[in-house]
Amino acid sequence: DGGITQSPKYLFRKEGQNVTLSCEQNLNHDAMYWYRQDPGQGLRLIYYSQIVNDFQKGDIAEGYSVSREKKESFPLTVTSAQKNPTAFYLCASSIRDAPGEGYTFGSGTRLTVV
Amino acid sequence: GNSVTQMEGPVTLSEEAFLTINCTYTATGYPSLFWYVQYPGEGLQLLLKATKADDKGSNKGFEATYRKETTSFHLEKGSVQVSDSAVYFCALGASRAQKLVFGQGTRLTINP
Repeated sequence: DGGITQSPKYLFRKEGQNVTLSCEQNLNHDAMYWYRQDPGQGLRLIYYSQIVNDFQKGDIAEGYSVSREKKESFPLTVTSAQKNPTAFYLCASSIRDAPGEGYTFGSGTRLTVV
Repeated sequence: GNSVTQMEGPVTLSEEAFLTINCTYTATGYPSLFWYVQYPGEGLQLLLKATKADDKGSNKGFEATYRKETTSFHLEKGSVQVSDSAVYFCALGASRAQKLVFGQGTRLTINP
């Protein structure tokens, strides 16, 4: 079955370290997205990519970086410049230019700074 | 721009109660509308959708009707169960837009 896989499920980071969250999909979707979710809050868009080798900043891109070298993969790096990185991170994918199809989400990565 | 406004939570109901979670939207053209559900510690799952006016999306006993005249897509269920406890997100997808627009989410708790 096709789907979207995020790993790891739980991640602990020491202050000052960069960490990379993995997101892989086998749905043949062109578009991929990263969201941040804080406790009791909605979704905030970090970065998105509509096509390989291209990506755009979302609403809260500062302190994060991404790459899109393969269609299947859209890793997110949380850098030491992100002052408050503890949150739940969600990756999603979609068919490009098909608003009626919606998104498929991964199961999320919970990042904690220790 | 496009936007989605959801009923603020949290919402607490007893088992077998009737559920309504309100969702209204602002958009140009004819957007597609979605309800997603998020169980504790998990990602979002598509619950139902509607792609044109007067369409009714339904799944797992939940229903929502796309009402263009009132720009609404309210989520309803006739008899809720404890297992329906989750956060529900209303979302809008417009043609030629690159991203879905999500509401803030409504936390639903069902007590036995």
